[in-house]
Amino acid sequence: QSVLTQPPSASGTPGQRVTISCSGSSSNIGSNYVYWYQQLPGTAPKLLIYRNNQRPSGVPDRFSGSKSGTSASLAISGLRSEDEADYYCAAWDDSLRRVFGGGTKLTVL
Amino acid sequence: QVQLQESGPGLVKPSETLSLTCTVSGYSISSGYYWGWIRQPPGKGLEWIGSIYHSGSTYYNPSLKSRVTISVDTSKNQFSLKLSSVTAADTAVYYCARVEVGLTLGGEDYWGQGTLVTVSS
Repeated sequence: QSVLTQPPSASGTPGQRVTISCSGSSSNIGSNYVYWYQQLPGTAPKLLIYRNNQRPSGVPDRFSGSKSGTSASLAISGLRSEDEADYYCAAWDDSLRRVFGGGTKLTVL
Repeated sequence: QVQLQESGPGLVKPSETLSLTCTVSGYSISSGYYWGWIRQPPGKGLEWIGSIYHSGSTYYNPSLKSRVTISVDTSKNQFSLKLSSVTAADTAVYYCARVEVGLTLGGEDYWGQGTLVTVSS
């Protein structure tokens, strides 16, 4: 059982906007930054969002992150077929333990 | 550019010790950042194992702490993972990654390609 809670699946059609939620607690998301990773099939995870809402160089602005209280969300606008992947949220907790969500499999219909 | 590459045996017998090394190129481990290990059992999610600084300071997952040792060799620009008393539940793809550091620990911005370790007799 993962410390952070994500929906196991999400879906959308090309061009749609999709959001993926991540729920935690006061000791992780509530007091620390949230990170999001994209994992394409058969590849290593890739950092998609850092410090709640910052995009690394090269990540399209179709991807955005937000945080409120002990929850966070990843939004993908203008959905494309190549966005089909697993998405993970992560945070450090106050005891410096790294915690991940269980992952959300995004299907582009 | 920064590259990480995991290496080590792909098959380990139950009760033995799993040993992996991550070789870093394009960046000196001694220059900063934390360096971490994350694993992913087949078909499952990510699990953090632990992280180390070039000074040797470490943070471990409490659920694995009694079996895990992470060490660093700055002369070889490598860091390593040892996981003792393995069982089938330790079968996973093991990733090494660079961990950004600011006022606190941050995200894993560079990852190795991962290496599958199977625990079986």
